[in-house]
Amino acid sequence: DQQVKQNSPSLSVQEGRISILNCDYTNSMFDYFLWYKKYPAEGPTFLISISSIKDKNEDGRFTVFLNKSAKHLSLHIVPSQPGDSAVYFCAASDYGGSQGNLIFGKGTKLSVKP
Amino acid sequence: DSGVTQTPKHLITATGQRVTLRCSPRSGDLSVYWYQQSLDQGLQFLIQYYNGEERAKGNILERFSAQQFPDLHSELNLSSLELGDSALYFCASSGDRGIGYTFGSGTRLTVV
Repeated sequence: DQQVKQNSPSLSVQEGRISILNCDYTNSMFDYFLWYKKYPAEGPTFLISISSIKDKNEDGRFTVFLNKSAKHLSLHIVPSQPGDSAVYFCAASDYGGSQGNLIFGKGTKLSVKP
Repeated sequence: DSGVTQTPKHLITATGQRVTLRCSPRSGDLSVYWYQQSLDQGLQFLIQYYNGEERAKGNILERFSAQQFPDLHSELNLSSLELGDSALYFCASSGDRGIGYTFGSGTRLTVV
């Protein structure tokens, strides 16, 4: 059973517009959430994270929103750029508990068209 | 360069064979994690080592094993290989704080 779900395998957005990538989780013990970006032939790279004590974290063009009651988080990219085209993975962990490893979703492939 | 080195980058082998994937973590990182990414699948956690000791186990098959050596590099051993084992295998490392990983560029294993 998947604990972290990214229900949209792909997303296409026009350059300059907002990209919104969604992620749902089922384990209420998760207390830390991360987004990774992956280009072809490379390993995933850390993008942004959020602790469960917050509902928003912003870093430049990237903002992550967390809705704990809905067990939902989203990554907003504004404005989207062609270089943002990649696969985005949502990940979660319960660092405060026994499971320190990250549980990943299946990823969403973002295509930003010029 | 992320600082996490994985070798080899590509590996093609036949069913029934055994292979060893190697990972050198980022300098100073004590934790090493192994993940498998199959077609249409996310990153599946296999196993974690911390300073030479197994810390957590995920969906790792009995045909697979891993270890972390005193110099902190890690090896993932895959035996009795099947076609379905074809995948990208990623290694990641993290520091003591353990929040967030640094991934290597992966080893692409093709079993024919």
